[in-house]
Amino acid sequence: AQSVTQPDIHITVSEGASLELRCNYSYGATPYLFWYVQSPGQGLQLLLKYFSGDTLVQGIKGFEAEFKRSQSSFNLRKPSVHWSDAAEYFCAVGQTGANNLFFGTGTRLTVIP
Amino acid sequence: EAGVTQSPTHLIKTRGQQATLRCSPISGHTSVYWYQQALGLGLQFLLWYDEGEERNRGNFPPRFSGRQFPNYSSELNVNALELEDSALYLCASPQGWRAGDIVPKPSSKETQYFGPGTRLLVL
Repeated sequence: AQSVTQPDIHITVSEGASLELRCNYSYGATPYLFWYVQSPGQGLQLLLKYFSGDTLVQGIKGFEAEFKRSQSSFNLRKPSVHWSDAAEYFCAVGQTGANNLFFGTGTRLTVIP
Repeated sequence: EAGVTQSPTHLIKTRGQQATLRCSPISGHTSVYWYQQALGLGLQFLLWYDEGEERNRGNFPPRFSGRQFPNYSSELNVNALELEDSALYLCASPQGWRAGDIVPKPSSKETQYFGPGTRLLVL
């Protein structure tokens, strides 16, 4: 069965610092992987997705993620965090002919000045 | 192009009542997924509707039900509300698969776009 693990419940970084949010998945075949961001009181916004091909994926707002099959990981990165990046981040895995997505429990990002 | 819309934004009910939540998918999208985001439980898949039919449901009791209309909008109904039903209910709109689609084939059909959600509070 598919599952997604986000080991970090809460991360605090200083504005301008680099960021890496971890995501590990469990899935037998090649997964479809997604990162979503949820600002307080808002719905989910798609940051980026991986289906196949280049394992380094660029998304919106300066985010990128790298798919590493050997580590079953899809970590989200940003070289320089902005205060507006404070939000909750969700990693999700889907499958071919998708039904639902399986979500991680989320990582809450706090950005300090 | 309008995104996924949901109404109402907030809903307050008491235990035992019924709640009705509504969702309109992105124009041209015919699938609707419902998720529940309860405090401390993360996002849980509820229901999937496509072409007017329920295609799949998550691990929720039958008092969670819904339907999809000919215009592909959808309603989620929660009967006999319980306190633990308090949550943010999110609707998602992928393009969906059709008979004859070549599978597997990565495509934007796998991408789910979410609405702003309905926050349900059960007192």
